[in-house]
Amino acid sequence: QSVLTQPPSASGTPGQRVTISCSGSSSNIGSNTVKWYQQLPGTAPKLLIYSSNQRPSGVPDRFSGSKSGTSASLAISGLQSEDEADYYCAARDDSLNGLVFGGGTKLTVL
Amino acid sequence: QVQLVESGGGVVQPGRSLRLSCAASEFTFSSYGMHWVRQAPGKGLEWVALIWSDGSNKYYTDSVKGRFTISRDNSKNTLYLQMNSLRAEDTAVYYCAKDQYGDYAMDVWGQGTTVTVSS
Repeated sequence: QSVLTQPPSASGTPGQRVTISCSGSSSNIGSNTVKWYQQLPGTAPKLLIYSSNQRPSGVPDRFSGSKSGTSASLAISGLQSEDEADYYCAARDDSLNGLVFGGGTKLTVL
Repeated sequence: QVQLVESGGGVVQPGRSLRLSCAASEFTFSSYGMHWVRQAPGKGLEWVALIWSDGSNKYYTDSVKGRFTISRDNSKNTLYLQMNSLRAEDTAVYYCAKDQYGDYAMDVWGQGTTVTVSS
């Protein structure tokens, strides 16, 4: 059971906009910034979003993040086949004094 | 380019020990905190440990406290994870990752090394 809650799966067709939610609590998302990671099959994770809504250089602006209270979301617009991957949210947890991840969302591009 | 390369994984019996290494290159290793993250087969990501840039502070997930030790040698640009009293549930791919700027955002990841705990 992960500390952060994500839907196990999401899907969309090419060109569509999809969102992935991430729910936490006051000790993690409620008091710290959220990160999002993309993991393509068989590869290491890649940082997509940091500070809840900032993109590292090289990440397309089709990816965007937001946070409100104890929840966060990742939006992907103009969905492409290469976006098919697992997506994880993460946040520091003050009560655990460490980082917690969501269980991951498997995105399928139909 | 900026790179992290893990090594030291393998098959080990329950109760035994293993030490993982992570060699860093093309960035000022001594300026950044470093993490270990693991992923059990078919499962999600689990944060394992963090060490500050100067090694002065270390943090662990509860399930490895007292068994795993994170350390670093800034003169060798290398991060370590000493794993003792290994259990079957420690079986996973172990990734090392660079902390972006102290906010637990990991912007550079290694390719991972596989640890299998089995009799």
